[in-house]
Amino acid sequence: EVQLVQSGAEVKKPGESLKISCQGSGYSFSNHWIGWVRQMPGKGLEWMGIIYPGDSDTRYNPSFEGQVTISADKSIGTAYLQWSGLRASDTAMYYCARQLDFDRHFDYWGQGTLVTVSS
Amino acid sequence: DIQMTQSPSTLSASVGDRVTLTCRASQSIGIWLAWYQQKPGKAPKLLIYKASTLQSEVPSRFSGSGSGTEFTLTISSLQPDDFATYFCQQYKSSLYTFGQGTKLEIK
Repeated sequence: EVQLVQSGAEVKKPGESLKISCQGSGYSFSNHWIGWVRQMPGKGLEWMGIIYPGDSDTRYNPSFEGQVTISADKSIGTAYLQWSGLRASDTAMYYCARQLDFDRHFDYWGQGTLVTVSS
Repeated sequence: DIQMTQSPSTLSASVGDRVTLTCRASQSIGIWLAWYQQKPGKAPKLLIYKASTLQSEVPSRFSGSGSGTEFTLTISSLQPDDFATYFCQQYKSSLYTFGQGTKLEIK
């Protein structure tokens, strides 16, 4: 069974750093793209970027490039999304999701990680 | 960027109704469109990909159609479990974009 399990909710202060994770199981983690999607409170879905764990090829939505870093460790089947200086506007639910192939739909999703940034 | 526009934003319907949700792309995306269902507090769930292919284990009352710039998701007979928000997503362009969602409410 394909599963993506994300790390737990986080509460942070503005300016702090954060790294959240997404662990895949039940499939060959290295061979499928993993994407990150933001959902701000009460809003729609925004694609942030994707990574191919096999070679760490990473593509970003220009709206998020420079604001976050996407990485992966294929040895432990885990992808990451990190911030070096959080802002209140980063408060959102973040989902990871798998793509079977590049430029395809997202077929499996993690349960989401809620990030709250507040002073 | 390819803009995706869904209509209506909210739809009120009753159990047993046939409903159709629409998604329009700002330029042609071929058949590279997916539909997702999201319930409150839950992750999105893939329903349909390549505009009309039903994802495994998704009930057959869901169907998708369209190509180019206009797409529809139809639920043939609404069930209580179907009241949720539905999002379309294009993946023709490598800058994937989602529609703003249609919230399906109980009338």
